[in-house]
Amino acid sequence: DTGVSQDPRHKITKRGQNVTFRCDPISEHNRLYWYRQTLGQGPEFLTYFQNEAQLEKSRLLSDRFSAERPKGSFSTLEIQRTEQGDSAMYLCASSGRTSGGRVLETQYFGPGTRLLVL
Amino acid sequence: GNSVTQMEGPVTLSEEAFLTINCTYTATGYPSLFWYVQYPGEGLQLLLKATKADDKGSNKGFEATYRKETTSFHLEKGSVQVSDSAVYFCALSFGNEKLTFGTGTRLTIIP
Repeated sequence: DTGVSQDPRHKITKRGQNVTFRCDPISEHNRLYWYRQTLGQGPEFLTYFQNEAQLEKSRLLSDRFSAERPKGSFSTLEIQRTEQGDSAMYLCASSGRTSGGRVLETQYFGPGTRLLVL
Repeated sequence: GNSVTQMEGPVTLSEEAFLTINCTYTATGYPSLFWYVQYPGEGLQLLLKATKADDKGSNKGFEATYRKETTSFHLEKGSVQVSDSAVYFCALSFGNEKLTFGTGTRLTIIP
């Protein structure tokens, strides 16, 4: 178990550019979550997947944001036409079930991708 | 909607002092409650959790009790150490749905 990994760890971009982040969850976890954390605040929910299905999207997720989890394993979060207000830490988390099907509520977080939009 | 209100920081204590960080929540129904910790330069880690009323979560000397009547989940530790310096987040969820976090409390322990 190598934990949740995210790539890149840091990204600096210019306003108007597109960026894409990747998250690799813990291998047996079927749920994957994206959160955004700005300085001095708690993480805010963006969206989550169960396997490849996107089950919920926050109103924070404008139409410039899109997330995918095409094969139910890794996920990508793309931000188009970035704005300075998009600067934040983007966190990914995963959770799963026991082999007997019991839901495990604990979400395990990756190290995050810090985005700076100039 | 659901929300979590946390004691505002920063909190500065001397080593071996008693710690309380207050957390109250607003939710429809009975969520699971969590404390996550973020050490300097590291990612969020689960510290402890409680899934029903009167449950007590504990880990690393920290404790929190799920109080339905006061909708609270206060974090306590009897004797803090310098290594406990971190940001602490209270959070709630229903099942393994999304987490709703408080704003976090920065704790600094002075030797």
